[in-house]
Amino acid sequence: DAGVTQSPTHLIKTRGQQVTLRCSPKSGHDTVSWYQQALGQGPQFIFQYYEEEERQRGNFPDRFSGHQFPNYSSELNVNALLLGDSALYLCASSLLSAGSTGELFFGEGSRLTVL
Amino acid sequence: AQSVTQLGSHVSVSEGALVLLRCNYSSSVPPYLFWYVQYPNQGLQLLLKYTTGATLVKGINGFEAEFKKSETSFHLTKPSAHMSDAAEYFCAVSDNTNAGKSTFGDGTTLTVKP
Repeated sequence: DAGVTQSPTHLIKTRGQQVTLRCSPKSGHDTVSWYQQALGQGPQFIFQYYEEEERQRGNFPDRFSGHQFPNYSSELNVNALLLGDSALYLCASSLLSAGSTGELFFGEGSRLTVL
Repeated sequence: AQSVTQLGSHVSVSEGALVLLRCNYSSSVPPYLFWYVQYPNQGLQLLLKYTTGATLVKGINGFEAEFKKSETSFHLTKPSAHMSDAAEYFCAVSDNTNAGKSTFGDGTTLTVKP
């Protein structure tokens, strides 16, 4: 049973560029949440996708956008990159259904460095 | 709004000693509470969770945590530390409908000395 997979694992971009990160959820899960983890900090919630729609959003600018596909996989896009966007981006999948506690299963992350 | 405070960004214990990692939360609704562990260059792995029912919850690798509503705490303990427990630990809170939007603490790095 494949867990959550993310790609790429590492990437380097320069300021102003755009980046796309990808995530495949754990088999059977229907919800994908994205988190940003800056060095030395806990993960910060970016947004969550369910049924191909953004359901909830954290305190991130609209430079951060996403998409969920019919197979539940998801993309995170960041435009006009800033140095402060350098972080580990974590994808977490869960099952959003009645009775589910919705615990998160995390991928290993995509480490973005902005120069 | 919800928040999590982890007291002590670094904790060091000797192998075989008690591990105690502190977590206090704030939530306007009955919370779901989680502890996750993160090893270097890896994602987060769930250690244990509290949703409803028994306030003492047991997790993997011998860890347990007790939900104390009156103290708004959810401290993580392990009776005897092992070298393999060295990692970063995160406490998280979510509302009782959607753990996908969880609020995390800043983490506690656990060092285990031989």
